[in-house]
Amino acid sequence: NAGVMQNPRHLVRRRGQEARLRCSPMKGHSHVYWYRQLPEEGLKFMVYLQKENIIDESGMPKERFSAEFPKEGPSILRIQQVVRGDSAAYFCASSPVGALETQYFGPGTRLLVL
Amino acid sequence: QQQVKQSPQSLIVQKGGISIINCAYENTAFDYFPWYQQFPGKGPALLIAIRPDVSEKKEGRFTISFNKSAKQFSLHIMDSQPGDSATYFCAASVGDTNAGKSTFGDGTTLTVKP
Repeated sequence: NAGVMQNPRHLVRRRGQEARLRCSPMKGHSHVYWYRQLPEEGLKFMVYLQKENIIDESGMPKERFSAEFPKEGPSILRIQQVVRGDSAAYFCASSPVGALETQYFGPGTRLLVL
Repeated sequence: QQQVKQSPQSLIVQKGGISIINCAYENTAFDYFPWYQQFPGKGPALLIAIRPDVSEKKEGRFTISFNKSAKQFSLHIMDSQPGDSATYFCAASVGDTNAGKSTFGDGTTLTVKP
């Protein structure tokens, strides 16, 4: 059973460009969470999604950030008009129904904004 | 913002020694307390977790001690090995529906010297 997959693993963008991060949850998992990790800090919750629904986006910045988890395909975290402060590692986690607390993390996407 | 405070920031232990990492929380609604292990370039991996109805949980060389009245919990790694060298994060979450929305500590970098 493949684990949580994220791509790309590394992404370099110039200020003002768009970054699109993808996450494929573990097979059978329908709950996806996105976290951001700044250097030397812990992970900060961004958004919780189920298929076709955003359940909790209380950690998402109000502007430029959006997330989706379509019926088919991976979950996407989109950052528009990136700024240098967006440089971080972005982790996706998935959970099975009935065990939401058991999170399986992907390897992360390291975004560098030049 | 709800916080989980973790200490120490870094820890150096000799092989065979005991590593102890502490966390304190504020929100008494938290009811799930996992510990994650993260190696460089990888995503966090669930190590061990506890709920407030027990004061201690042991899995192999890893033990969580939980003090509900003090709102503190700690990770003990017995017989620490060089392969345990990693960053450890404590976390906390509330309830079943939001169980995946975790609040993380800032991490402890553990180095086990041979």
